[in-house]
Amino acid sequence: GDSVTQMEGPVTLSEEAFLTINCTYTATGYPSLFWYVQYPGEGLQLLLKATKADDKGSNKGFEATYRKETTSFHLEKGSVQVSDSAVYFCALGRGGNKLTFGTGTQLKVEL
Amino acid sequence: EAGVTQFPSHSVIEKGQTVTLRCDPISGHDNLYWYRRVMGKEIKFLLHFVKESKQDESGMPNNRFLAERTGGTYSTLKVQPAELEDSGVYFCASSQTMTGYSYEQYFGPGTRLTVT
Repeated sequence: GDSVTQMEGPVTLSEEAFLTINCTYTATGYPSLFWYVQYPGEGLQLLLKATKADDKGSNKGFEATYRKETTSFHLEKGSVQVSDSAVYFCALGRGGNKLTFGTGTQLKVEL
Repeated sequence: EAGVTQFPSHSVIEKGQTVTLRCDPISGHDNLYWYRRVMGKEIKFLLHFVKESKQDESGMPNNRFLAERTGGTYSTLKVQPAELEDSGVYFCASSQTMTGYSYEQYFGPGTRLTVT
């Protein structure tokens, strides 16, 4: 079945540092890939998505590229801010059906 | 437009008791999903409604869990009797009926269930 593996946290960075959170997946066919973010005290929000190979999703300075050859969808940001502190979840989905999530990576950004 | 709402935000019950969680999806969204995150692990799918019908309930852990969606609007998830391993955060999400491959599930804030 489908599965998603993402790097374990917590990840602690200084403000303005470069961020990479690794995500790889196992799936047949061509699922859509997502990054969701959960800020403290809030629900999950869609951060970005990609629906086919080589697509790049981007939002709020975050980017991720759908790499079918490496089955990866790594999240990157060039310069993190304290306000980016949150839990980040990688997920895959097919059509309007269920999402399969990774375990989440907690990011803490310090001044 | 209101987002997905869930009630209660937090529930603490004793083992063996019954708890009912409620989810109100975004108005007009036919699809409603329940997920659960246990002890900092991955968020796991429980079930999927399309309007009032259960489209996929493959993630329901056992028959102590009962989900309903009255009239295709709000949904309830009842746990009876609750066990310690049921503790976690229960998320609800909703989405529009999709076309093509592009869709988005909108999540509620979650209900944190603690069974003692």
